[in-house]
Amino acid sequence: ETGVTQTPRHLVMGMTNKKSLKCEQHLGHNAMYWYKQSAKKPLELMFVYSLEERVENNSVPSRFSPECPNSSHLFLHLHTLQPEDSALYLCASSQGSSRVETQYFGPGTRLLVL
Amino acid sequence: DAKTTQPNSMESNEEEPVHLPCNHSTISGTDYIHWYRQLPSQGPEYVIHGLTSNVNNRMASLAIAEDRKSSTLILHRATLRDAAVYYCILRDVNSNYQLIWGAGTKLIIKP
Repeated sequence: ETGVTQTPRHLVMGMTNKKSLKCEQHLGHNAMYWYKQSAKKPLELMFVYSLEERVENNSVPSRFSPECPNSSHLFLHLHTLQPEDSALYLCASSQGSSRVETQYFGPGTRLLVL
Repeated sequence: DAKTTQPNSMESNEEEPVHLPCNHSTISGTDYIHWYRQLPSQGPEYVIHGLTSNVNNRMASLAIAEDRKSSTLILHRATLRDAAVYYCILRDVNSNYQLIWGAGTKLIIKP
């Protein structure tokens, strides 16, 4: 138990659906992250929020839309996804975003797009 | 792109020490070396990090070469629970100190 929870753990959706992934951290951290882990590819950083402000967006397609309503919650809204978006989506948090901060990861949401 | 090089996989016997190497020849003076691991069906977890000196914690030891161009993660007595993919990551100013992941080393522990 890392103090970072993600729901749902598994999700199957069609290309025309709209769904949301939820992440919650119980660690009092100020930074939260979304990562994508595709089969046989390294983890890719998607979004970074620090103190609820988005500080980094690594050119992720607009069909992924993050939301950070407060420092404990992070959402990833999904719409009109493609089959190649099927992956494990990981949320993480850290106290800050400096080069020594440890990131704590949730268990991930396994997404399958049909 | 990841700035570290690791072997794709390694095997070790249970209850023996494991030395996981990492090369980072382009490291600069302010880059920290971080290690994370990912157990099957779980998110990554932090293992250890260091700058110049060797580091120890309850999970592992990190030995950093004097020129800092390589490092070795040492698991002193591997158990089956240590079977995972181990990632060596440089956190540098060019990547805004974010974690840039490579393919890691898949560690297989034989009973």
